[in-house]
Amino acid sequence: EVQLVESGGGLIQPGGSLRISCAASGFTVNRNYMNWVRQAPGKGLEWLSIIYTGGNTNYADSVKGRFTISRDNSKNTVYLQMNSLRAEDTAVYYCARQDVEAARYDMDVWGQGTTVTVSS
Amino acid sequence: DIQMTQSPSSLSASVGDTVTITCRASQGISNYLAWYQQKPGKVPKLLIYVSSTLQSGVPSRFSGSGSGTDFTLTISSLQPEDVATYYCQKYDSAPLTFGGGTKVEIK
Repeated sequence: EVQLVESGGGLIQPGGSLRISCAASGFTVNRNYMNWVRQAPGKGLEWLSIIYTGGNTNYADSVKGRFTISRDNSKNTVYLQMNSLRAEDTAVYYCARQDVEAARYDMDVWGQGTTVTVSS
Repeated sequence: DIQMTQSPSSLSASVGDTVTITCRASQGISNYLAWYQQKPGKVPKLLIYVSSTLQSGVPSRFSGSGSGTDFTLTISSLQPEDVATYYCQKYDSAPLTFGGGTKVEIK
């Protein structure tokens, strides 16, 4: 079964750092594009970051320079390192796949999300 | 960066009605447009990709159309289980921007 499972969310103080994870099963992360998307309480979806098959990355302006996406091919897992966290980063964070192997680039598989709360 | 504008932001319709949601891109994106459904408290679910292709398992009352800058999502014969927020998203290139969402309720 194709599945994504996020973990690592929690309560963190402003200015702090946190790394969240997205473990994949049923497919290989480095053969697909992998993304992070977040949703603040009561708000819409916000795309944050992508890691391409070749390892290149891209970021939304709102997190550029503070967040870093990476992957561990041996663990088939994607990460989002979040530094200099602010209250406005409070959200549910989802990872999502773009199925490059099927030549599709929509986000067809999503994880269940992990909640990050930035508060003192 | 290309902006994605959805309208309306919310709507209320009766069961059986036809509902249309529009999404406009500030620049052309060919047909690299997806629609997602998010029910309250749930994970977003892919409905339509490449503007008009129905994802497997999605009821045929959902349909999409458009190319370039103007796109529509149509729900024919609205059902109670269609209560949700619907998002469009461009995926031609990063940033993979979402529209602001359209909340659909039953009248």
